[in-house]
Amino acid sequence: GDSVTQMEGPVTLSEEAFLTINCTYTATGYPSLFWYVQYPGEGLQLLLKATKADDKGSNKGFEATYRKETTSFHLEKGSVQVSDSAVYFCALMVGQGAQKLVFGQGTRLTINP
Amino acid sequence: DGGITQSPKYLFRKEGQNVTLSCEQNLNHDAMYWYRQDPGQGLRLIYYSQIVNDFQKGDIAEGYSVSREKKESFPLTVTSAQKNPTAFYLCASSDGGQAARGYTFGSGTRLTVV
Repeated sequence: GDSVTQMEGPVTLSEEAFLTINCTYTATGYPSLFWYVQYPGEGLQLLLKATKADDKGSNKGFEATYRKETTSFHLEKGSVQVSDSAVYFCALMVGQGAQKLVFGQGTRLTINP
Repeated sequence: DGGITQSPKYLFRKEGQNVTLSCEQNLNHDAMYWYRQDPGQGLRLIYYSQIVNDFQKGDIAEGYSVSREKKESFPLTVTSAQKNPTAFYLCASSDGGQAARGYTFGSGTRLTVV
């Protein structure tokens, strides 16, 4: 079945460090790919998305490129801030009709000043 | 502003009781979803509904029930048959024809069995 695997956390970085959170997927069709962010005690917010191969999603300094050849959608940011501390979820959506999101297990990111 | 409202934010249940979690949206979205979140396990789909008066089981529907009598509302009942109900519950919605835009999530309900 369709699934998403994220790099295990927690991840702890210093402010202004470079961030990569790895995400790979398995899907029977051609999925759309998403990154969501969850701040403490809140729901999930859409961070960025890509709907076809080689698309790059970007938002708030975060980027991810849809790599069909490696079935990956790694999240990157060049210089992280303390306010980026949150849990990040990679997700995919496939198919027509009932378009359900399938989530990875989440990666907790902590940025120290 | 449009959005999804979940209530209550915190809920305590005694063993053997049924409880109902509220989810209301004013986004005019056709589809609505319920997810359960446990530490380190990501989000797991409980139930979803694509149109009014219709809903389908997700991956972990046992011990839960839903209804979709109105487009705006998708309440979730956690029954006494759910063996381990303590979790964070998230409701979401999407535009049926534009699901690839992603979901909009509510702020969640934290349920604790006491």
